[in-house]
Parts: sequence; C-alpha cells; structure tokens
Amino acid sequence: QVQLVESGGGLVKPGGSLRLSCAASGLTFSDCQLNWIRQAPGKGLEWLSYISSSGNTIHYADSVKGRFTISRDNAKNSLYLQMTSLRAEDTAVYYCAKYSDDNYWYFNLWGRGTLVTVSS
Amino acid sequence: DIVMTQSPDSLAVSLGERATINCKSSQNVLYNSNNKNYLAWYQQKPGQPPKLIIYWASTREFGVPDRFSGSGSGTDFTLTISSLQAEDVAVYYCQQYYSTPQTFGQGTKLEIK
Repeated sequence: QVQLVESGGGLVKPGGSLRLSCAASGLTFSDCQLNWIRQAPGKGLEWLSYISSSGNTIHYADSVKGRFTISRDNAKNSLYLQMTSLRAEDTAVYYCAKYSDDNYWYFNLWGRGTLVTVSS
Repeated sequence: DIVMTQSPDSLAVSLGERATINCKSSQNVLYNSNNKNYLAWYQQKPGQPPKLIIYWASTREFGVPDRFSGSGSGTDFTLTISSLQAEDVAVYYCQQYYSTPQTFGQGTKLEIK
C-alpha cells in the first residue's frame, strides 16, 4: 500500500524544538520529491518546505526559514522536519506530501498528519 | 507570492443539485510554452488529509468520479460538482503550482442543504 505516515508531533513549549518524521512505504522513495505542509486548527493549508529526491535542492517558506530544517534519508525511506524556536502560531497539523509523479508541483499523495501544539 | 481567493467561503446545495466553487489567482497561472494552467483542486473531508481531485485545472485524478469537473484559464477557475452526493461534503481548496511558494485558496466549505 502506498502511504506516507507522519510521527513526532506533540506538546512543546514556546521556544522549544521538535523533530517530525515521515515514513514512506509502497513507493520508490528515492525518486520522490517531498514537502511539508501545515494546517492550523480550523484554518487553510500552508506549504512550508520542499526537498528534491536527492536532497540537493531545498526550499522554505519565509514563515519558517531559519527555524525549520528539512532533510531526508533515502536508505530509511524517511523525511524529516527539524523545528526550532517554536511559536504559538506554529500550532498545526503537519503533513508530508509528495509532488506528482511527473514532478510538477501539485501534491498527489498526503500523509494523515501529526499534530504539533506549542503552548506553555 | 500568488494569492488565491476562493468564493464563496461556504456553500449549501441540495442533494442531486449542482455545486460551483470559484478560485481566482492574483497572477496568471497559464504557462504559455505548454498552454497548461498550473492549478489543482483538493477535497478535504473532516479528520482527513486533503485529497487531489483535479490538476492542470481540468484533469481528474485517477478514481475521481466524473461528476467533478474543473474549468477556467489564466486567473479564473471553477470546480463544478454536477450532482451533489452526500459523500461530497468537504472543504475544497484550489492551489497554484505555477511558482514557488505554492499557495492555496482559503477553502470553501460545501454542505448539504
């Protein structure tokens, strides 16, 4: 079964750090261009970060640049998001999502998400 | 950044009736070299992740019922559900992938009247 499964969410204090993971199965992970997207409670979707299949190309949204770091381990079929200096406004469900198979920038596979709550 | 604006914010339609959701981009998302509109639509049901239903503005994703259709070009786009079914209750989002950052509309909540 082709799927992405996020983990690592939880409750963290403002200023704290958290590392999210996304495990892939049923697909050739090393061919996939991957992203992190978040959704604040009751709100819309915000693209955060992209990493190429090799990991050589990375992009960030301005809202997380300098605080979040995307990475991947193709040997472990895993994607990561290291989050630091967390703020209350980072509270959201975090999804990993794959670009289309022909590498255009729409998302044809999403994980179920992991909830990050930033609160004291 | 390209701003995507959807209308209406919410919509109530009777079962079997047509539902229409609009999406307007602040810049053209039609790429002249291949004549394709870099516009996708997603459906998000409660407690679930978004699901791709339309890409290239009008191409249905595999397995999506043909009551869903997309139209438009340039800056103005429409998602139409020709005959609303109970399982279509969801929030629908448009997304441009013409330029980075990829941006989404604010969402349209579709309910049964």
